[in-house]
Amino acid sequence: ELKVEQNPLFLSMQEGKNYTIYCNYSTTSDRLYWYRQDPGKSLESLFVLLSNGAVKQEGRLMASLDTKARLSTLHITAAVHDLSATYFCAVDATGTASKLTFGTGTRLQVTL
Amino acid sequence: DTGVSQNPRHKITKRGQNVTFRCDPISEHNRLYWYRQTLGQGPEFLTYFQNEAQLEKSRLLSDRFSAERPKGSFSTLEIQRTEQGDSAMYLCASSSIISPLHFGNGTRLTVT
Repeated sequence: ELKVEQNPLFLSMQEGKNYTIYCNYSTTSDRLYWYRQDPGKSLESLFVLLSNGAVKQEGRLMASLDTKARLSTLHITAAVHDLSATYFCAVDATGTASKLTFGTGTRLQVTL
Repeated sequence: DTGVSQNPRHKITKRGQNVTFRCDPISEHNRLYWYRQTLGQGPEFLTYFQNEAQLEKSRLLSDRFSAERPKGSFSTLEIQRTEQGDSAMYLCASSSIISPLHFGNGTRLTVT
C-alpha cells in the first residue's frame, strides 16, 4: 500500500524567511502533485511534476521531484502572510492519474 | 466555466438515514473523482469515473456507498444507512487527460 508522508506537519515561520516542506512516498512513481487548501475551502492545484528532476516555480514557491529518492520538496522563499494555508502533496502510483494518494498535509502559518 | 459544482454544501442527517450528493464537473472533463476528507487529514480516494464507466473503487467504499455517473456528465454519491463515522467532507474533482484534478468546494456531511 502506497504511503505518503509529509514533514513537518505544522510549520510556523516569520515573514521573509525561507523553508522547505518534504514529501516522501513509499512506491515507484514519477507523477506528483502539490495542492493548497485554505481553511474551509477546497483544494487548489499548485504544481504538477511529471518526471525525475522536474522543477516548477510560481512566485515564492518552488517544487521539485526526485523519483529515485521518492522525494518531493516544496520550497518557500521569503514567506508572506498570504502563503498561510495547508499544503498537500499527492502521488499517482497508477501512471494514469486515476487515483491519487495524498499526504497528511503541512499546515503553514506565516507570522508578521 | 464555473468550475466543479457540488450540492448541497452542507448536509446534517440522523444516523441510519440515506443521503445523496451531486457533483457537476467542468464540462470538458471526462474524468470524475470522489474523495473523502476528515478533519486534519488529506483527502482519501473513493472512486473514479472515465466518462460513465466506474474504473476504480477504494476499499473505503463499503456496500453502503454507491456512486453513479449515468450519462458521463454529473455524478451522484449515495450513502445508505449513515453512521457517525461517515461524517466528513466529500470532495468531487474532475480532470481531462492532460490537466490536474480540479476540486469542488465539497459537501460537508454531519451524521448525528
